[in-house]
Amino acid sequence: EVQLVESGGGLVLPGRSLRLSCAASGFTFDDYAMHWVRQAPGKGLEWVSGISWNSGSVGYADSVKGRFTISRDNAKNSLYLQMNSLRVEDTALYYCAKLIYYDSNAIDYWGQGTLVTVSS
Amino acid sequence: EIVMTQSPGTLSLSPGERATLSCRASQSVSSNLAWYQQKPGQAPRLLIYGASTRATGIPARFSGSGSGTEFTLTISSLQSEDFAVYYCQQYNNWLQYTFGQGTKLEIK
Repeated sequence: EVQLVESGGGLVLPGRSLRLSCAASGFTFDDYAMHWVRQAPGKGLEWVSGISWNSGSVGYADSVKGRFTISRDNAKNSLYLQMNSLRVEDTALYYCAKLIYYDSNAIDYWGQGTLVTVSS
Repeated sequence: EIVMTQSPGTLSLSPGERATLSCRASQSVSSNLAWYQQKPGQAPRLLIYGASTRATGIPARFSGSGSGTEFTLTISSLQSEDFAVYYCQQYNNWLQYTFGQGTKLEIK
């Protein structure tokens, strides 16, 4: 059974940093790209960042580029999101997600999310 | 960054009716378009990928169409469990995905 378990969320002051983690199990982690998707309270989904299976390619939404860094440790089956210079508008539930799209198949798995609150 | 725009923002319909949701991309995404359903307190669930292919286990009343910049999700006969928020997402640009802002499908 695929499981994605996020951790590291909490209350943080504007301008400070936070590191999110996602522990993956139930599949061959280093075969797949992984993503972070967030959802502000009462708002829609926002794709935040993605990383290829070998960390060779990464991508970021314009809203977080230059402030957030995605990384992974395949030996530990773990995905990370380093969030620096946090803003009030970064307040959201952050999901770790395995989103795979092929021509003949597609797979989505999501964690339960970890809540980040940026407030003074 | 490709901007995805969904319409309408809210759609009020009755069970048994047909629902038509729209999604427009700011530039062509070919057929690299997915639709997700999200219910309160739950993670999103993949419904459609490749613009028109149902994901595993998705009922046949859900169908998708379109390519390029214009896409449609149709629910042929609404069931009570279909009332939720629906998002389109483009995955045409590797590791530069974007979601639309969502359409809330509510019971009339």
